[in-house]
Amino acid sequence: DTGVSQDPRHKITKRGQNVTFRCDPISEHNRLYWYRQTLGQGPEFLTYFQNEAQLEKSRLLSDRFSAERPKGSFSTLEIQRTEQGDSAMYLCASSLVRNSQINYGYTFGSGTRLTVV
Amino acid sequence: AQTVTQSQPEMSVQEAETVTLSCTYDTSESDYYLFWYKQPPSRQMILVIRQEAYKQQNATENRFSVNFQKAAKSFSLKISDSQLGDAAMYFCAYRSAGGGADGLTFGKGTHLIIQP
Repeated sequence: DTGVSQDPRHKITKRGQNVTFRCDPISEHNRLYWYRQTLGQGPEFLTYFQNEAQLEKSRLLSDRFSAERPKGSFSTLEIQRTEQGDSAMYLCASSLVRNSQINYGYTFGSGTRLTVV
Repeated sequence: AQTVTQSQPEMSVQEAETVTLSCTYDTSESDYYLFWYKQPPSRQMILVIRQEAYKQQNATENRFSVNFQKAAKSFSLKISDSQLGDAAMYFCAYRSAGGGADGLTFGKGTHLIIQP
């Protein structure tokens, strides 16, 4: 297993365009998380999935943001009508939860850096 | 809502010396997890150490150890025998142990510089 993969590594887009990012978690991990990290800040939680179910969404996840994990494997994060304030690093992480046991380990990907011009 | 505060934007230490990074947090919960993550220039966040709030014993991982003071809501990271590879951003993070919520709350980070 090569860990958590994110694609693309970098994305430059014009304001108003739609963008989509992909995350491939560690194969046996059932939970997948999206975070946003702006320059000089720590990551901010956006949302997470257990298998294909989206269980929690942050208030940061505006209506222009949508995330899916259709088959409980990879996930996509789409931003519609991008704004300059969306420029950030988007991080994906995954973890394994068994029998409702609270997990405490997350494996992060290297992120997708979005620049909106 | 929980908050995590890292009051040291940058720290510098000589190679082979010991450095302590500070972290305080605010929560009304009694059961939670605390983490230190390292983010090198390559950007991937790497788990350094974790602590369960119900455990009184401080966690250790080789050269890394924490000083967990639950009453004071303090969770500092000590790095012993600092190495050049330790240079990175270090983030303190909080996770609720309650059911359903599984997002991490991060501090703003401390940039650790290792002087050769």
